[in-house]
Amino acid sequence: LAKTTQPISMDSYEGQEVNITCSHNNIATNDYITWYQQFPSQGPRFIIQGYKTKVTNEVASLFIPADRKSSTLSLPRVSLSDTAVYYCLLSGGYNKLIFGAGTRLAVHP
Amino acid sequence: EPEVTQTPSHQVTQMGQEVILRCVPISNHLYFYWYRQILGQKVEFLVSFYNNEISEKSEIFDDQFSVERPDGSNFTLKIRSTKLEDSAMYFCASRGGLAGYNEQFFGPGTRLTVL
Repeated sequence: LAKTTQPISMDSYEGQEVNITCSHNNIATNDYITWYQQFPSQGPRFIIQGYKTKVTNEVASLFIPADRKSSTLSLPRVSLSDTAVYYCLLSGGYNKLIFGAGTRLAVHP
Repeated sequence: EPEVTQTPSHQVTQMGQEVILRCVPISNHLYFYWYRQILGQKVEFLVSFYNNEISEKSEIFDDQFSVERPDGSNFTLKIRSTKLEDSAMYFCASRGGLAGYNEQFFGPGTRLTVL
């Protein structure tokens, strides 16, 4: 499976927009880009997924350029409760998910 | 909203003992998974299960591990003879079988502590 690279950690303040970029240079044609969130001692929770261009839901937006070699998760107006680890994953069809170390986001008051 | 449930939330066992971790996937889902996360480390895939058989397993999933879907609702992970290094959070996940991509839903996890 293609590997993803994302920052180890990020800091932000309440009310700010947070953008977490993930690179996946060797993404396969059938790979979808998926982001999960994990709080301490909890299971990962699906946030958003996309294949190309832009996807938006009630929680986040996902921006994917035409070459699909990177993606950016955008969290609008973060709050303290958004402090978590965010994982960028690639997955095609019904395959297993391969988690990396993720990005540890700390939101400060 | 439907959710994956897991029991127990915390299991403490002695090294060498057998443990069974239980999961109830979302009812209309067809694909089932076990993952584990050692404290402070990343989430690791163990096994995937579809149509009553293992579809893929990782190197971690050796002969000490087995999975079963005994009654059409529960999905269990058995560790035959636990080792200290089996201590971890174990997450069950399930996924629907609709055409196209659909996400995996994770349970809250079982914390396994092997003494």
